[in-house]
Amino acid sequence: AQKVTQAQTEISVVEKEDVTLDCVYETRDTTYYLFWYKQPPSGELVFLIRRNSFDEQNEISGRYSWNFQKSTSSFNFTITASQVVDSAVYFCALGANRDDKIIFGKGTRLHILP
Amino acid sequence: DGGITQSPKYLFRKEGQNVTLSCEQNLNHDAMYWYRQDPGQGLRLIYYSQIVNDFQKGDIAEGYSVSREKKESFPLTVTSAQKNPTAFYLCASSISSGGRNEQFFGPGTRLTVL
Repeated sequence: AQKVTQAQTEISVVEKEDVTLDCVYETRDTTYYLFWYKQPPSGELVFLIRRNSFDEQNEISGRYSWNFQKSTSSFNFTITASQVVDSAVYFCALGANRDDKIIFGKGTRLHILP
Repeated sequence: DGGITQSPKYLFRKEGQNVTLSCEQNLNHDAMYWYRQDPGQGLRLIYYSQIVNDFQKGDIAEGYSVSREKKESFPLTVTSAQKNPTAFYLCASSISSGGRNEQFFGPGTRLTVL
């Protein structure tokens, strides 16, 4: 069975600090896809990134970076120099070719304190 | 602008009444999804549709019904059989069904049953 675990329920950091959100997944598939979404207070989920299981290169987009490690089944998300606007709930998700849908972790609520 | 619209943003209903939540997309996506989110919780899949005139139950379909008569539209009816309908409902779409495709979300409808 596929599973996504976001062990950090809630994190608070002071603005400008770096913060890493953890995501650990379980799958028996050799081809799979990992996603991160941001849910700001407005409620709409915003797609951030998709990675496939064959591409272990880390990704950087501005202050955001993602570290994919198959050896530890993790796909962690780091925000560098955090800002108050980064306050949101962040979801990690997992999908596979043989599935009709993707499954979501329970999310990590991130508070950036001014 | 391409996107997903959900209306209304807030909805109040009396207990025992059926209520229909609207979801429309102009992204030309084949697949559409309905999720329920309770306070502090992750996303739970209610129903999804891979193509027009076809839909499948998700993890918590009891008390809900859907239709997919047009590619652009995937309305969700919350029936009186749903024991605890007060929640935040999110609609999403993807280019096709499957775990490889990112989903794009609407702004959500917050349903309160009094």
